[in-house]
Amino acid sequence: AQTVTQSQPEMSVQEAETVTLSCTYDTSENNYYLFWYKQPPSRQMILVIRQEAYKQQNATENRFSVNFQKAAKSFSLKISDSQLGDTAMYFCAFTPYGSGNTGKLIFGQGTTLQVKP
Amino acid sequence: NAGVMQNPRHLVRRRGQEARLRCSPMKGHSHVYWYRQLPEEGLKFMVYLQKENIIDESGMPKERFSAEFPKEGPSILRIQQVVRGDSAAYFCASSLQGVQETQYFGPGTRLLVL
Repeated sequence: AQTVTQSQPEMSVQEAETVTLSCTYDTSENNYYLFWYKQPPSRQMILVIRQEAYKQQNATENRFSVNFQKAAKSFSLKISDSQLGDTAMYFCAFTPYGSGNTGKLIFGQGTTLQVKP
Repeated sequence: NAGVMQNPRHLVRRRGQEARLRCSPMKGHSHVYWYRQLPEEGLKFMVYLQKENIIDESGMPKERFSAEFPKEGPSILRIQQVVRGDSAAYFCASSLQGVQETQYFGPGTRLLVL
């Protein structure tokens, strides 16, 4: 079975500080993509960052970066210089590709992040 | 450059009624995925469609649920004879080519069954 685990149901961080959200996954596939999505109170799902499993270099998008450890099947999200607008639920997701796969995303349970002023 | 559109945004139904949820993908996208989010949970895959074809319905309940994506018009997720357990947020996402392409999500439809 392919699963995604986010072990931190809730986290908080002071504005301007750095926070790391953890994610582990389980799959026997070798080729896949990993994602972090953000769901603010509006409940819109917003793509934060994407990582291709075949790339060793960690993806970065402005204040957001990942620490991708393929052997450990770990994919953590680091948010630097946290802002009040980062308050949201964050979902880790992955999708394998290759023969027999259809691109469906497998999501973790989510981590609620609160940024405090 | 409109994103993924879903309507209605909120839908209230009584038990036994039918719910129809609509999804218009981003311009140029011909692949649509439907996901369901129960309260306090992550999103769960339901069905993947291309124009006029269901590609993967492995996450769809066997009864009462159906989906289509006609040649013209939006994708429709239909729930017949709704029950309270169907209350959830239903999201659709579209992508340019399906596998290996990023999925972009609509704002979701919140279904409440009374």
